[in-house]
Amino acid sequence: DGGITQSPKYLFRKEGQNVTLSCEQNLNHDAMYWYRQDPGQGLRLIYYSQIVNDFQKGDIAEGYSVSREKKESFPLTVTSAQKNPTAFYLCASSRLQGLITEAFFGQGTRLTVV
Amino acid sequence: DAKTTQPTSMDCAEGRAANLPCNHSTISGNEYVYWYRQIHSQGPQYIIHGLKNNETNEMASLIITEDRKSSTLILPHATLRDTAVYYCIVRVAGSGTASKLTFGTGTRLQVTL
Repeated sequence: DGGITQSPKYLFRKEGQNVTLSCEQNLNHDAMYWYRQDPGQGLRLIYYSQIVNDFQKGDIAEGYSVSREKKESFPLTVTSAQKNPTAFYLCASSRLQGLITEAFFGQGTRLTVV
Repeated sequence: DAKTTQPTSMDCAEGRAANLPCNHSTISGNEYVYWYRQIHSQGPQYIIHGLKNNETNEMASLIITEDRKSSTLILPHATLRDTAVYYCIVRVAGSGTASKLTFGTGTRLQVTL
């Protein structure tokens, strides 16, 4: 089945450590996105990418880094520079061409930094 | 992408129609209206989208005003499983480039017995 997979579902890290969240899609989508969601809040865009080896900052990119070495994969690294990393992280992908370009979301990774 | 405004929360009795409004007064001519919903602790799910005509699918109906400055998502017979946060988004479709795909805070719909 085609879809978008995030792993792990829950992740715990010590303060000051970098951590990488995985996002893989087999939908052959060109665009991929990372969002952060805090309790009771909406989604805020961290980074997005429309093509391999290219990505753009979203609204809250500070303290995060991404790579897009393969079309299927868009990992997000939460660095020690991120002041409040504990949050729910969501990855999405979408086509770029045609009318059916809605985004498909993964089930999220809940990161807790202690 | 144009900004959207939605009520923070709404209640609906089970079996009744849920009408969720969205204002997008700065929408551009090439921007579509998209609706997603997010059930607690899950990823958002696409519901429906439209440009200027009303649209219907197996999940919902989308009514867009003639001036396109507002729209209403209609869940014709709400069930308890429709309790979720509903997001209205406007963005360009099929442009060949990735837009920022910005979400607001959405409307929290509570369906009750």
